[in-house]
Amino acid sequence: GAVVSQHPSWVICKSGTSVKIECRSLDFQATTMFWYRQFPKQSLMLMATSNEGSKATYEQGVEKDKFLINHASLTLSTLTVTSAHPEDSSFYICSATARMRVDTQYFGPGTRLTVL
Amino acid sequence: GESVGLHLPTLSVQEGDNSIINCAYSNSASDYFIWYKQESGKGPQFIIDIRSNMDKRQGQRVTVLLNKTVKHLSLQIAATQPGDSAVYFCAENEGYSTLTFGKGTMLLVSP
Repeated sequence: GAVVSQHPSWVICKSGTSVKIECRSLDFQATTMFWYRQFPKQSLMLMATSNEGSKATYEQGVEKDKFLINHASLTLSTLTVTSAHPEDSSFYICSATARMRVDTQYFGPGTRLTVL
Repeated sequence: GESVGLHLPTLSVQEGDNSIINCAYSNSASDYFIWYKQESGKGPQFIIDIRSNMDKRQGQRVTVLLNKTVKHLSLQIAATQPGDSAVYFCAENEGYSTLTFGKGTMLLVSP
């Protein structure tokens, strides 16, 4: 149980285009979803936290107009990288917590974004 | 400009050895700690957790030790196998759901 999926697993796009990444909790309702970014040989850095039906809370230094997060249902959150540039190339990972265990995050498999 | 290479601390062991991976955490208010394993190109995978009211917890082949006095966490892997090769992260939780990840250690297991 507690499976989180991401789609796509990898994406290549041209500079200036927008890319949407989906994060789904497959067998539980996710009260909170988190988006992380990970550069090569670095740790996971939290970008934002979102609760279903609420606006996302962004970490300091993360541009909310560039990284649009929508958490429209208890099983789906999306991250849209708008006007992507090569420096946005990274590994994006989502996680989700369930109502009964708010301190346990279940992680998705990640999405590799490459911006040319 | 010149880019500086980033190097993860690396622990190299032989198959069958015991491995110890260490982590220093920053927030004395953190009350829940988790170790994750991350294989290349994949998301973090939960290994074991421990709450601040404990100083040791054992799982299958893994043991986590917590020393709150010096804010130190360690992960011990017994009889390390090649399949254990990955990057290992500790993470701390202050009592809310937000996690703060450590820098990570790469474990390389030679057959």
